[in-house]
Amino acid sequence: EAGVAQSPRYKIIEKRQSVAFWCNPISGHATLYWYQQILGQGPKLLIQFQNNGVVDDSQLPKDRFSAERLKGVDSTLKIQPAKLEDSAVYLCASGLAGGTGELFFGEGSRLTVL
Amino acid sequence: AQSVTQLGSHVSVSEGALVLLRCNYSSSVPPYLFWYVQYPNQGLQLLLKYTTGATLVKGINGFEAEFKKSETSFHLTKPSAHMSDAAEYFCAVSENTGFQKLVFGTGTRLLVSP
Repeated sequence: EAGVAQSPRYKIIEKRQSVAFWCNPISGHATLYWYQQILGQGPKLLIQFQNNGVVDDSQLPKDRFSAERLKGVDSTLKIQPAKLEDSAVYLCASGLAGGTGELFFGEGSRLTVL
Repeated sequence: AQSVTQLGSHVSVSEGALVLLRCNYSSSVPPYLFWYVQYPNQGLQLLLKYTTGATLVKGINGFEAEFKKSETSFHLTKPSAHMSDAAEYFCAVSENTGFQKLVFGTGTRLLVSP
């Protein structure tokens, strides 16, 4: 079974530039999550989707971050404009709807903002 | 809201020694509890989980954890450390409600010396 796919793995940009990350979840997983993991910290939930609807985006900085999940499958997370403090690993995860909360994670996209 | 506290950002053990990583949680409803492991430049991999039933949970790579409701703890143990166990370990909690989401602790880095 294919796992959660993310791209790009690494991205370096200047502050105020924009960047987009892509995630393809495990087939059949209705829930999709984007987490931000700053160096030395635990992952922090940015946004949670159930199919193509947003369940929780309370910690998403909406003035610069946006995310969508078209057709309830792939998802894109965008940052525009980027700030230095956005340097982090962005983890995508997916899970079964109504499950026990077990999530399956991709390898992450590491963003460096200079 | 649920939360997780991991005591000790770094734990050092010798190869063959007991591994004990501490996790305490806070949840207003019966929780689901998880331990994930993260190797360098990789995503998070599930070690074990507690949902219901037996409070002693066995996971992969010889790890186990015990859910103690009275102590609100879910400590991770392994009788004998191996060099390959060196990694970052995250405890996480998910509330047993409609839309599950994982809240992570800050992580504990396990160092194993020969």
